Amino acid sequence: EADIYQTPRYLVIGTGKKITLECSQTMGHDKMYWYQQDPGMELHLIHYSYGVNSTEKGDLSSESTVSRIRTEHFPLTLESARPSHTSQYLCASTHSGTGRTETQYFGPGTRLLVL
Amino acid sequence: LAKTTQPISMDSYEGQEVNITCSHNNIATNDYITWYQQFPSQGPRFIIQGYKTKVTNEVASLFIPADRKSSTLSLPRVSLSDTAVYYCLVETGGGNKLTFGTGTQLKVEL
Repeated sequence: EADIYQTPRYLVIGTGKKITLECSQTMGHDKMYWYQQDPGMELHLIHYSYGVNSTEKGDLSSESTVSRIRTEHFPLTLESARPSHTSQYLCASTHSGTGRTETQYFGPGTRLLVL
Repeated sequence: LAKTTQPISMDSYEGQEVNITCSHNNIATNDYITWYQQFPSQGPRFIIQGYKTKVTNEVASLFIPADRKSSTLSLPRVSLSDTAVYYCLVETGGGNKLTFGTGTQLKVEL
């Protein structure tokens, strides 16, 4: 069983509020990822990190920001939430492989509803 | 990143074998083929990974022909709990970022 956690699991918030979605893993993985997924739709990579102090934007443009100050922690922040940010946010992590690719472990997700 | 193509949906009945085929015509030499399973309101979960020929684990088998331009996930004797979305991914060695397609929605009925 993967040890990757996300909080909160569900969040309902008003427009304009600042929110931070938490993601932590206890597996010592150096690579971490954030995906956004609307109901019934595919996952889109919005941010990733190869290690401490490394953050990169993913394939889908997002108004959110991330930070990676500690290996185990990869929070995602929305400075001013809008209804268009309503979605499910999934965090994942993996260990850097050498040659053979490594499995990504996903957290349970955070369902965000912005009113 | 290699693009993958798989059927949007499949239907099956309990006890049957289900085969989901994925096309990845521009797979690179260093790419591996990985399948994930996702239940509603959960994150994807790793099922199986392979590079060539056949790989089998306790839940599935993965068949990869010699040209590696396609792969087939085989689920033996499915049950209702196998109803989920199945994603085929092609990824380069080293644990780089994944690109998820639309996946295949498998529905298993009694």
